[in-house]
Amino acid sequence: DQQVKQNSPSLSVQEGRISILNCDYTNSMFDYFLWYKKYPAEGPTFLISISSIKDKNEDGRFTVFLNKSAKHLSLHIVPSQPGDSAVYFCAASEGGTGNQFYFGTGTSLTVIP
Amino acid sequence: DVKVTQSSRYLVKRTGEKVFLECVQDMDHENMFWYRQDPGLGLRLIYFSYDVKMKEKGDIPEGYSVSREKKERFSLILESASTNQTSMYLCASCRDSTNQPQHFGDGTRLSIL
Repeated sequence: DQQVKQNSPSLSVQEGRISILNCDYTNSMFDYFLWYKKYPAEGPTFLISISSIKDKNEDGRFTVFLNKSAKHLSLHIVPSQPGDSAVYFCAASEGGTGNQFYFGTGTSLTVIP
Repeated sequence: DVKVTQSSRYLVKRTGEKVFLECVQDMDHENMFWYRQDPGLGLRLIYFSYDVKMKEKGDIPEGYSVSREKKERFSLILESASTNQTSMYLCASCRDSTNQPQHFGDGTRLSIL
């Protein structure tokens, strides 16, 4: 049973506009959330994370928002650039040490020049 | 920078062969993981390890085993390869402390003929 879901397999956005990628989860014990970016033929690269004590974390053009009551997180990329075209995975864990990470199925983002 | 190195980028084997996938990390991380990535299914955890000689089953351990004789090395073994094990295999590692992201290798694209 998929505990982390990304319901949009793909997203296309014009260069310079905002990209919003969404992720939902079912396990209320999750308290650490991450986004990864993956180019073809490469491994996922860690992008940004957020713990459940926050509702927003920002790093340059990337911002992650967490809505615990809705069990929803989103990644905003502003402004979007062609180099952002990749597959984005969200992941979650119960935090602490030695806990398993659960990944979504990924969203393929295409930024159109 | 964390470096996770997988021994092969591409591998072709035959049904029934015993296959070894090797992974080495250079950051003295306690935790190591093996995933497979398949279209539409995201990353699924096969096995993970918290320490030398320790292993835990993930979500899809059937048909696989692992070995961790040294802290920096985590091997995935396909005991008798089958065509449904054709996939992208990803190794990851992380420090064993609160809220640490996983760092991934570039993956091994394994084809079983």
